[in-house]
Amino acid sequence: QLQLQASGPGLVKPAQTLSLTCVVSGGSITNAGDYWTWIRQHPGKGLEWIGCIYYSGSTYYSPSLESRITMSLDTSNNQFSLKLTSVTAADTALYYCARHRVIVAALGGYIYDYGMDVGGQGTSVTVSS
Amino acid sequence: EIVMTQSPATLSVSPGESVTLSCRASGNVGTNLAWYQQRPGQAPRLLIYGASTRATGVAGRFTGGGSGTEFTLTISSLQSEDFAVYYCQQCNQWPPRLTFGGGTKVEIK
Repeated sequence: QLQLQASGPGLVKPAQTLSLTCVVSGGSITNAGDYWTWIRQHPGKGLEWIGCIYYSGSTYYSPSLESRITMSLDTSNNQFSLKLTSVTAADTALYYCARHRVIVAALGGYIYDYGMDVGGQGTSVTVSS
Repeated sequence: EIVMTQSPATLSVSPGESVTLSCRASGNVGTNLAWYQQRPGQAPRLLIYGASTRATGVAGRFTGGGSGTEFTLTISSLQSEDFAVYYCQQCNQWPPRLTFGGGTKVEIK
């Protein structure tokens, strides 16, 4: 059974870089069709897609965050990571990692979305000095 | 960006009743629409994908429907564990520009 566990520093100072890691067990991050995803949830609010990375190394980021995001894969440890630079209080949130299974064909002309399996309890991040 | 709008924001329901939640997309998403359930203190859980296909292990009382821009999630005979927040999500573009609805909270009347 797939399990994902996100971890991070908990507290980050404004203007610093937030680094999060998601360890995947019960499945390989090199599976075709699986996009390794970060979403976040501001306190008391809804869900926001941050972006995803494919085993090929291709990355796809939210337009509102892409200037500050870097995602990477560590296939030897079956984990993936998120770096978010220049954080502010607006980045205070609960961060979840997920597997998003999507079939994409015909250069994106055909898409079938199987939805996301979201991992664990997430990791809480507070941006404060 | 496709905007997902859910209504109502809150539904007050008694156990055993049935409810229908709505999700509207600002553009055509075909059937690339998923529903998630989030209980307090828990991660979102996938209920429905492809607008109407139940995810593994999801009870038959959850039924998704719709296509294009209008979608519904019906929960029949609400159980205590069904009182939660429900989100819809679309992914019908590539490169992906995945978006969620704002959620509908189903609370006990």
